[in-house]
Amino acid sequence: DTGVSQDPRHKITKRGQNVTFRCDPISEHNRLYWYRQTLGQGPEFLTYFQNEAQLEKSRLLSDRFSAERPKGSFSTLEIQRTEQGDSAMYLCASSLGLGTNEKLFFGSGTQLSVL
Amino acid sequence: QQQVKQSPQSLIVQKGGISIINCAYENTAFDYFPWYQQFPGKGPALLIAIRPDVSEKKEGRFTISFNKSAKQFSLHIMDSQPGDSATYFCAASIYSGNTPLVFGKGTRLSVIA
Repeated sequence: DTGVSQDPRHKITKRGQNVTFRCDPISEHNRLYWYRQTLGQGPEFLTYFQNEAQLEKSRLLSDRFSAERPKGSFSTLEIQRTEQGDSAMYLCASSLGLGTNEKLFFGSGTQLSVL
Repeated sequence: QQQVKQSPQSLIVQKGGISIINCAYENTAFDYFPWYQQFPGKGPALLIAIRPDVSEKKEGRFTISFNKSAKQFSLHIMDSQPGDSATYFCAASIYSGNTPLVFGKGTRLSVIA
């Protein structure tokens, strides 16, 4: 168990640029979640995958946000035309996904700063 | 719409004391209530969880108390240690409903010697 890995750990970008974050879940986990966390707040759910299927994406903050999980392994979260309000910690989590609510294992996150 | 309300926002406890963090929820369909612990620069990690078929669950120094009628649950940390200093989040979801966890805003705990 090498844990959930997120890359990069930090990203600084200028407003209007596109950014992409990667998440590598624990290898046997088939569920993968993306959350956003702003300072002084709890994680806010964005989207999740069961294998390669994206089961919930209505919580993505706008149509500038999109996520993929090709082949049911790693996932990417892309933000197009970034805005200063997108500055936050983006957390990825994975779980075994046995059909019931189960233990989420979080990565250390990608801290995004939009200048 | 804040579905899980957590208090206090911050807490300072003497070493050896009891830390108590409270949460209240609105959705009566929620039936899974975990607590997560987060250290600076790290993602949250599951600490302990409870389902409403029991009113209390204890794991080591950590205890969850659950009051279904009041729609409240709390985390008690006995014999608090400086290493417990972290941010604690309560969360809730529907256990078998494939619903995502909804988190509270967090409590920053500082345990001082």
